[in-house]
Amino acid sequence: QMQLVQSGPEVRKPGTSVKVSCKASAFTYSSSAMQWVRQARGQRLEWIGWIVVGSGDTNYAQKFQERVTITRDMSKSTTYMDLTSLRSEDTAVYYCVADWTAWGQGTLVTVSS
Amino acid sequence: DVVMTQSPLSLPVTLGQPASISCRSSQSLVYSDGNTYLNWFQQRPGQSPRRLIYKVFNRDSGVPDRFSGSGSGTDFTLKISRVEAEDVGIYYCMQGTHRPPTFGQGTKVEFK
Repeated sequence: QMQLVQSGPEVRKPGTSVKVSCKASAFTYSSSAMQWVRQARGQRLEWIGWIVVGSGDTNYAQKFQERVTITRDMSKSTTYMDLTSLRSEDTAVYYCVADWTAWGQGTLVTVSS
Repeated sequence: DVVMTQSPLSLPVTLGQPASISCRSSQSLVYSDGNTYLNWFQQRPGQSPRRLIYKVFNRDSGVPDRFSGSGSGTDFTLKISRVEAEDVGIYYCMQGTHRPPTFGQGTKVEFK
């Protein structure tokens, strides 16, 4: 089964951006669909968007459409999520998920002035 | 967006006894291909979620058979036939039929 290792915790000021990475360790990476999901403290899981690794096609939740970009580097088996114009409400644990079966360990992003 | 509503939100359980969680969607989850994309996830304390059930009743590899999923249309249920200590955590239903995928609020399972 694919294993996903995410980058470490981040602290950002409001209005700035953050880029979270997710490295996969499995030869099936190129045939996967990678989702990004976040979980604010005490809140339900929230889908941000996904990328079909092979084609690079992406789809984003309308809520994040103008602020998020998901990309991948197949040579590094790594997926990235870039979130801009950060606000305090973006403070959450961000997860990458492969085909809904393999989850990264989560990356805490804290937005605070 | 499709709203997923779980009940109860807190479920006190007894070791060895059955437990049941309900999930209701605001729209039918039957997709045009005939499949119903309703998943169940378990999140143990301090861990990432993991999928237990996909397409209503299919158990993922390694999931004990004490977990079962059922339902159709807009009403779904996750059952644990005999609760074990490792089952403590938060359970989420998630629909993947309509874009965007949406999750229930979560049901916290803990011992009485």
